[in-house]
This record gives sequence, structure tokens and C-alpha cells, in this order.
Amino acid sequence: KAGVTQTPRYLIKTRGQQVTLSCSPISGHRSVSWYQQTPGQGLQFLFEYFSETQRNKGNFPGRFSGRQFSNSRSEMNVSTLELGDSALYLCASSFDYNEQFFGPGTRLTVL
Amino acid sequence: AQSVTQLDSQVPVFEEAPVELRCNYSSSVSVYLFWYVQYPNQGLQLLLKYLSGSTLVKGINGFEAEFNKSQTSFHLRKPSVHISDTAEYFCAVSDPGGYNKLIFGAGTRLAVHP
Repeated sequence: KAGVTQTPRYLIKTRGQQVTLSCSPISGHRSVSWYQQTPGQGLQFLFEYFSETQRNKGNFPGRFSGRQFSNSRSEMNVSTLELGDSALYLCASSFDYNEQFFGPGTRLTVL
Repeated sequence: AQSVTQLDSQVPVFEEAPVELRCNYSSSVSVYLFWYVQYPNQGLQLLLKYLSGSTLVKGINGFEAEFNKSQTSFHLRKPSVHISDTAEYFCAVSDPGGYNKLIFGAGTRLAVHP
């Protein structure tokens, strides 16, 4: 089976812009979760989608949003980018609650 | 609220020596526990997980961990490390009823020296 894929792998944006990141889960997985990884805050949960519905949400401002499509692919969007949004964004897919499989991440740099 | 504390930010060790990476968690409910490894410029790979049952869990690459409920710990061990084990290791906890929300520790950087 192919693993979790994330596109693009690298992004450079400027403050105030918006960005959309994409995640394709492992075939058959209906849950997709997103995490932000920064040197200062570590790994933090953003949100989880299951069958096109947001099932869980972390403590991030409303500028961070996501969605899931009927084929389980997911996108996350960050609007009005700030310098502090520079991070590695990781997507993980899961068939159940026992294990999440992570993608390679998208490294976002905000200038 | 759940939290995870990884007691060592960095652990240097010589090749073929044993290693223990320490993890303590805080939770008022039963939990699932995980150890993930992250190599440079890569995502996270699951090493092992504790869901229930035997408190000694064996994982990939020769790693094992022991769940200790009274100590609220889940320390990761390997009897003999290799250079290739150099990486960042993350302990994580999830609430069995909380869907797929992982709470991670800050990470431990394992540096294996020849």
C-alpha cells in the first residue's frame, strides 16, 4: 500500500498570504489528522477529519481550517499567514484509534 | 487534561551500549501510549504502542517499552544501539475515547556515537 502523501513538500509564502496544503491518506483510511511541528512548541494537534466531518479540534486560531473530501483526501488552509506559522505540517491517516500513519510533512516558511 | 513529559531533551550514547528514553504522562483516564521516531526531514514512524494487556511492549528495530501505571511512565529501551538509531524520539498519549488526537512530549534527541 502506498503511504500517506503530502503536497507540496516545501512552500515559501509571505506574511498576509494564505496557503493550502494537501494530504492523501492510505487507501481505506477515513480519518485524517493534522499536526503542526515547530522548534518552540513541538508537535501540536490541529484537527481531525473523519468521513468529511471535523471530529476533533486543537487550540489554534480560526485562521487554521481544514476539510475532507469524499475520497478521504484532506486539505488544510491557513489564512493571513504570520511569521509564527512557519512550521512542518504533518498529516496522519488512520483506520481506527489504534495507530496513525504519518506523511513526510510540508515545510512552510513564512517570510 | 492529558500531558506528556519526556525527561531528557538529549541522550548521548556510544554504539552498542544500552539506552533508556524516559516518558511520564498525566491523565485522569485510561490512555493509549505510543513511541514515534523521526529521522531528519521525515515524518513520524511508529516504534511501538500500548493499548492494553501486557505491560511490556515490543516494537520495531529492537525497541521495547514498559507501561507502568502506578508510576505513570512508559520508558523506551534498547539493549544495544546502532549509529542508525540517531534520531528524535517522541512519546505520545491519546484518550481511547478521544478519537485520533495525540498529545506529544517535547521529544528526546538520541545521538549515538561510534
